[in-house]
Amino acid sequence: GENVEQHPSTLSVQEGDSAVIKCTYSDSASNYFPWYKQELGKRPQLIIDIRSNVGEKKDQRIAVTLNKTAKHFSLHITETQPEDSAVYFCAARGSASGGSYIPTFGRGTSLIVHP
Amino acid sequence: NAGVTQTPKFQVLKTGQSMTLQCAQDMNHEYMSWYRQDPGMGLRLIHYSVGAGITDQGEVPNGYNVSRSTTEDFPLRLLSAAPSQTSVYFCASSYSSRTALSYEQYFGPGTRLTVT
Repeated sequence: GENVEQHPSTLSVQEGDSAVIKCTYSDSASNYFPWYKQELGKRPQLIIDIRSNVGEKKDQRIAVTLNKTAKHFSLHITETQPEDSAVYFCAARGSASGGSYIPTFGRGTSLIVHP
Repeated sequence: NAGVTQTPKFQVLKTGQSMTLQCAQDMNHEYMSWYRQDPGMGLRLIHYSVGAGITDQGEVPNGYNVSRSTTEDFPLRLLSAAPSQTSVYFCASSYSSRTALSYEQYFGPGTRLTVT
């Protein structure tokens, strides 16, 4: 099955700095890569996603890049703000039938933005 | 739409007790799944369903049962609670179609379970 590795587990930055979270996946059949943000005590919520036919996607201060050859994708947050502090999860979802349609999640990155 | 709802929000069980965590969605999603979240372990898949009457095991299924008699509901049963099942449980749902505009997983608010 799919295996998703996420790094770092904790990331501490100063307000205004950029933050980068990296993930790798194992199944070359995966074709959908979402990122979820989970604030303390809340449910995970989708913030951005990318499909395998796209190399980069941007939405205001956040962007995701995908390198299919290396099976690697990253989340970039620019001009970080204290409200960006949360746990971020990457995930990969396959294209095969059955269980692969359920995404596999990384272990999460706790982002702390210091004012 | 209420989205994905879960009950209860909090529960304390004694070792050996059984209980059912409820999950319902009103978005007509085919896929539903249960995850547990433990510190440093991310979201681990317990069981999932690709439609009414169809369920399958995820990464950590031992000690849990599920059924899917309707599209809307996907309850998770703990057969004989153990302290290792202390966790936060999330239910999620999504579309299945390859042509769906979004594969987004919609999560419920979670159930915090403590087993003593």
